[in-house]
Amino acid sequence: ETGVTQTPRHLVMGMTNKKSLKCEQHLGHNAMYWYKQSAKKPLELMFVYNFKEQTENNSVPSRFSPECPNSSHLFLHLHTLQPEDSALYLCASSQVVASGELFFGEGSRLTVL
Amino acid sequence: QQQVKQSPQSLIVQKGGIPIINCAYENTAFDYFPWYQQFPGKGPALLIAIRPDVSEKKEGRFTISFNKSAKQFSLHIMDSQPGDSATYFCAASKGETSGSRLTFGEGTQLTVNP
Repeated sequence: ETGVTQTPRHLVMGMTNKKSLKCEQHLGHNAMYWYKQSAKKPLELMFVYNFKEQTENNSVPSRFSPECPNSSHLFLHLHTLQPEDSALYLCASSQVVASGELFFGEGSRLTVL
Repeated sequence: QQQVKQSPQSLIVQKGGIPIINCAYENTAFDYFPWYQQFPGKGPALLIAIRPDVSEKKEGRFTISFNKSAKQFSLHIMDSQPGDSATYFCAASKGETSGSRLTFGEGTQLTVNP
């Protein structure tokens, strides 16, 4: 596989469920990101990891918990979500944090009932 | 507040037309301005980018025009094709070490009719 792979592509969960989104990049990059994409809104940066260390948390509610075990894998653990959290969650990577070119995955479409 | 305002929200052109998407920014410290293209069901992909030391950059049928004094930049698609139908996002960031701290516009949904 090449590029940035996200699973699952679609997820429906209740407000009391716990689920996780997974991202894997095969590009040898050192920086990884989570973005939230909602209709007719700008992409919202959630978290940034550089060499598996979190360097940025963009005031994201604690019901979203990221995990980066190594430079190739990134998880987003979800618990006690709200319906307004329904969105497309995009993972991205870049060679280094300073790079302006992000490589995005296809996203995980989350619906919270 | 660091914002990038993008217009129009949607755009429909005929094949061969030249759609133009505009973006305006407020922060004069921004020094990197990329455009991303997103097809349905896919993640955004970098299309073309410009730095403020030039006023225009062209890659194939895609051109960025940059007006530093007006704090505006735009994307032009020459000889547009139905395959160009996608959502286009402008973005901006500042600093050599903050290239990936991108501020995105709201996106423009482009439809190119055959």
